[in-house]
Amino acid sequence: GQQVMQIPQYQHVQEGEDFTTYCNSSTTLSNIQWYKQRPGGHPVFLIQLVKSGEVKKQKRLTFQFGEAKKNSSLHITATQTTDVGTYFCAGPSTGGGGNKLTFGTGTQLKVEL
Amino acid sequence: DGGITQSPKYLFRKEGQNVTLSCEQNLNHDAMYWYRQDPGQGLRLIYYSQIVNDFQKGDIAEGYSVSREKKESFPLTVTSAQKNPTAFYLCASSLGGAANYGYTFGSGTRLTVV
Repeated sequence: GQQVMQIPQYQHVQEGEDFTTYCNSSTTLSNIQWYKQRPGGHPVFLIQLVKSGEVKKQKRLTFQFGEAKKNSSLHITATQTTDVGTYFCAGPSTGGGGNKLTFGTGTQLKVEL
Repeated sequence: DGGITQSPKYLFRKEGQNVTLSCEQNLNHDAMYWYRQDPGQGLRLIYYSQIVNDFQKGDIAEGYSVSREKKESFPLTVTSAQKNPTAFYLCASSLGGAANYGYTFGSGTRLTVV
């Protein structure tokens, strides 16, 4: 079945350092979505990328969708303690008419002062 | 404000009991979903519904049941057949198919079997 993997699984950074998480799908995706889950909280939708090679920015966050639409990345510049949490990518499942998301394994980010 | 409400926030169940987790949304979303999250793990799909009176099994449906009698509501029953039910349960909704719309999640229910 479809698999969506993320690396790294965990990342500890000092505040001010940059951070990147990578997402790889076993199948081509029509779009890729990113979510953030704060410790003890629920996932919150961040962004959706649709086009091959698309790049979108949200303040210090930069999202990229690969040319082959099978991979994506999230880069955070100059991390802050508010960036702490787990970041998930997700793509439409190949079964069920694509009407459900398969979530990646997640990258847990910890930011130290 | 529109959103998804899950209740209760914490739930304790004795072995052998069925329990029902509530999920209500006032976003007028067509699709609703139930995911399970184990500590330090990702989200696994239990059931989903794209329209009232219709729902489909996800990847880990065994030991769970759902109903979708109203557009706003998608309750999940964790039955005694679910062998390891202790987990964080998340309900989500989307305006349409996942291909075009992101999910809005509820705040979750933490179920513990005692």
